[in-house]
Amino acid sequence: DAGVTQSPTHLIKTRGQHVTLRCSPISGHKSVSWYQQVLGQGPQFIFQYYEKEERGRGNFPDRFSARQFPNYSSELNVNALLLGDSALYLCASSPSGMVPEKLFFGSGTQLSVL
Amino acid sequence: EDQVTQSPEALRLQEGESSSLNCSYTVSGLRGLFWYRQDPGKGPEFLFTLYSAGEEKEKERLKATLTKKESFLHITAPKPEDSATYLCAVDYGGSQGNLIFGKGTKLSVKP
Repeated sequence: DAGVTQSPTHLIKTRGQHVTLRCSPISGHKSVSWYQQVLGQGPQFIFQYYEKEERGRGNFPDRFSARQFPNYSSELNVNALLLGDSALYLCASSPSGMVPEKLFFGSGTQLSVL
Repeated sequence: EDQVTQSPEALRLQEGESSSLNCSYTVSGLRGLFWYRQDPGKGPEFLFTLYSAGEEKEKERLKATLTKKESFLHITAPKPEDSATYLCAVDYGGSQGNLIFGKGTKLSVKP
């Protein structure tokens, strides 16, 4: 079975631009979470979606937004990019969105903001 | 403030040299503690979930334990392929799906 897939794998943007990151969860998983991982740090929670509804939001500015589609795939959007947004963006899926529940992570999108 | 602290930041071992990684947490209402392994350029890979103090879980050369304030990941007779960053995360009942991760311990095992 395919794991969590993310696209693109790498992305280079300039300050002020907009970016969209995509995630396809494991088949049958209805919950998708997004995390930001800065080099040398642990992942930091951004959003969780379950059945197309936002169930949780981390401490990130409104420039960050996300949505989940009827097929449970998800997009993370970041507006007005800053240099500090450079990071590995991880998507994770889980079957039910009930906590505590192990998360299955994709390999991430490496975003570089110049 | 809820926190997860891992130590040491980096650990170098010789193949076969057993050791332990530590994860201490200061959260109220712990609902679960997770251990993940992360290889360079990859996403974290799930290892264990621990729910209550006194619980232990094992997988090959790894054994995870949990007390009321910390968790240990014991590595017995490690091999070079165990080299990775080991992340600890806690579910404390905050925003749905919100795990608080530590910064990780980077383990290097030399042959």
